[in-house]
Amino acid sequence: AQKVTQAQTEISVVEKEDVTLDCVYETRDTTYYLFWYKQPPSGELVFLIRRNSFDEQNEISGRYSWNFQKSTSSFNFTITASQVVDSAVYFCALGSNDYKLSFGAGTTVTVRA
Amino acid sequence: NAGVTQTPKFQVLKTGQSMTLQCAQDMNHEYMSWYRQDPGMGLRLIHYSVGAGITDQGEVPNGYNVSRSTTEDFPLRLLSAAPSQTSVYFCASSLLETDTQYFGPGTRLTVL
Repeated sequence: AQKVTQAQTEISVVEKEDVTLDCVYETRDTTYYLFWYKQPPSGELVFLIRRNSFDEQNEISGRYSWNFQKSTSSFNFTITASQVVDSAVYFCALGSNDYKLSFGAGTTVTVRA
Repeated sequence: NAGVTQTPKFQVLKTGQSMTLQCAQDMNHEYMSWYRQDPGMGLRLIHYSVGAGITDQGEVPNGYNVSRSTTEDFPLRLLSAAPSQTSVYFCASSLLETDTQYFGPGTRLTVL
């Protein structure tokens, strides 16, 4: 069975602070895929980033960066210089070759001006 | 492309009523799925389809039926609504089974 744990329920920061969201996953599959989705107050789910298990290279995309470590089964996500528009619920998700996605419970990020 | 569309956006039902949540995509995606989102629980997979004529159960299938007669459409049916089915429902699709899934805008359902 696959499991995703987002231990942080809520995070509150002041604008321009960095925010790191933790995600720990469990899977027996050797090939799997990790995702971060954003759900703003309007309710839609927006795809942010994806990482394949066979590619541990960490990258930066604009103000987003991620740290994928297979040794600790973690896939953490960082927003640099946060903005009010970053206020949302962020979900970490785990998928494998059977198409099913397992989601964490989500972390609510509030960025105060 | 409209992407993934869902109707209605909001719905209120009485216990025991039936209804169908509609989902359509115009991206020629083979894979489609339905999730429900409840507070503090993330999203949970209800049913999914790997192509027209093929469906399978997800994590929480009880009380829901699906069919996939065309590549574009994947409706979710509630046969006899219960208050426990009050939730936000999301439809998603992807081209292949390992591709990123893209979600529709959601349907907020309340069962009284």
